[in-house]
Amino acid sequence: AQSVTQPDARVTVSEGASLQLRCKYSYSGTPYLFWYVQYPRQGLQLLLKYYSGDPVVQGVNGFEAEFSKSNSSFHLRKASVHWSDSAVYFCALSPYAQGLTFGLGTRVSVFP
Amino acid sequence: DMKVTQMPRYLIKRMGENVLLECGQDMSHETMYWYRQDPGLGLQLIYISYDVDSNSEGDIPKGYRVSRKKREHFSLILDSAKTNQTSVYFCASSPGTGSSDYTFGSGTRLLVI
Repeated sequence: AQSVTQPDARVTVSEGASLQLRCKYSYSGTPYLFWYVQYPRQGLQLLLKYYSGDPVVQGVNGFEAEFSKSNSSFHLRKASVHWSDSAVYFCALSPYAQGLTFGLGTRVSVFP
Repeated sequence: DMKVTQMPRYLIKRMGENVLLECGQDMSHETMYWYRQDPGLGLQLIYISYDVDSNSEGDIPKGYRVSRKKREHFSLILDSAKTNQTSVYFCASSPGTGSSDYTFGSGTRLLVI
């Protein structure tokens, strides 16, 4: 069975600082990998996704993620955060025809 | 505007009552999903529907059933709701199995008292 681990439940960062959110996955094959963001009382919005090719994938709002097959990781980064980036971020994977398997999420708080 | 619509947004039910959560999509997507989201547990897959009357259990199907009689509509039914089914329920759709494009609804907050 597949799984996704986000080791950091909460991250606090100052506005303008860089952000990295960690994601490790377990899956025997090559899954689709995703990062979603959830703002309070809203649904999930896709930031980016990866399946193959360049291991660094660009997403919306300045986010990027780097895939590492050797480390089974898909970490999310942003060079300079804004207060509006405060949200919960979910890493997920999708094996074929099985829907999405999510990590538990990382709550990001950006302070001025 | 391509979207997934969930109704109602908020619902309060008493333990033992039947609950119907509805989800619609206007993209002619074949595959639809129901998830529940709980603090500390993330999102967990309840059911997948691959098309009309073609449904499959997800990771936590116990206590739930689903109905899909039209491609654009997918219902989640709780027969005799329990307090531990208090949660936020999300519906999602994708064009088909193997697709990586998922669209999520805004969720239904269910409180069972």
